[in-house]
Amino acid sequence: GENVEQHPSTLSVQEGDSAVIKCTYSDSASNYFPWYKQELGKGPQLIIDIRSNVGEKKDQRIAVTLNKTAKHFSLHITETQPEDSAVYFCAATANTGGFKTIFGAGTRLFVKA
Amino acid sequence: NAGVMQNPRHLVRRRGQEARLRCSPMKGHSHVYWYRQLPEEGLKFMVYLQKENIIDESGMPKERFSAEFPKEGPSILRIQQVVRGDSAAYFCASSPRDFDIQYFGAGTRLSVL
Repeated sequence: GENVEQHPSTLSVQEGDSAVIKCTYSDSASNYFPWYKQELGKGPQLIIDIRSNVGEKKDQRIAVTLNKTAKHFSLHITETQPEDSAVYFCAATANTGGFKTIFGAGTRLFVKA
Repeated sequence: NAGVMQNPRHLVRRRGQEARLRCSPMKGHSHVYWYRQLPEEGLKFMVYLQKENIIDESGMPKERFSAEFPKEGPSILRIQQVVRGDSAAYFCASSPRDFDIQYFGAGTRLSVL
């Protein structure tokens, strides 16, 4: 079945450094890729998303890149801050009648002050 | 504009009892999704509903689980005869239209004793 692989599972960086999280997907019909941030005890919050007709999107310190040929997309966080510490999930959605969204297993990001 | 509201936040049931989880989507949203999250894991899609219709239930267990989204009132995820393996966080998300951003609620944490 469809699958989204996410790496790394845990990432520890120093405050001010950059963090990169990578995902690959299997369903070639996927064409919408959101990224969510989940803090302890809370629901996932959308932080950025990208559609298949775009290769890169940026919003302040957060950027996402998409390579549809390789079925690969990445989240980049620059100038990390302690409040960026959370679990980050990538997801892939295919509009093939089912509108099912497949999530990666998550990356736990620690930003050390 | 209130976000996606889920209740209860925490639910404790004994094996064999029924669990009812409620989700009120954001105002103006007619699309609802349910996900299950086990500890230290990503979100697993369960079901996608529009008003009075189930669009995709491919992630729902075949037995004991059901979902509805009536014309009036919240969406309900119902688990009959709960077992310990049903213990998880259940998240609801809503969107204003097909293939659009999903906004998540804070989740219901179900514990089965």
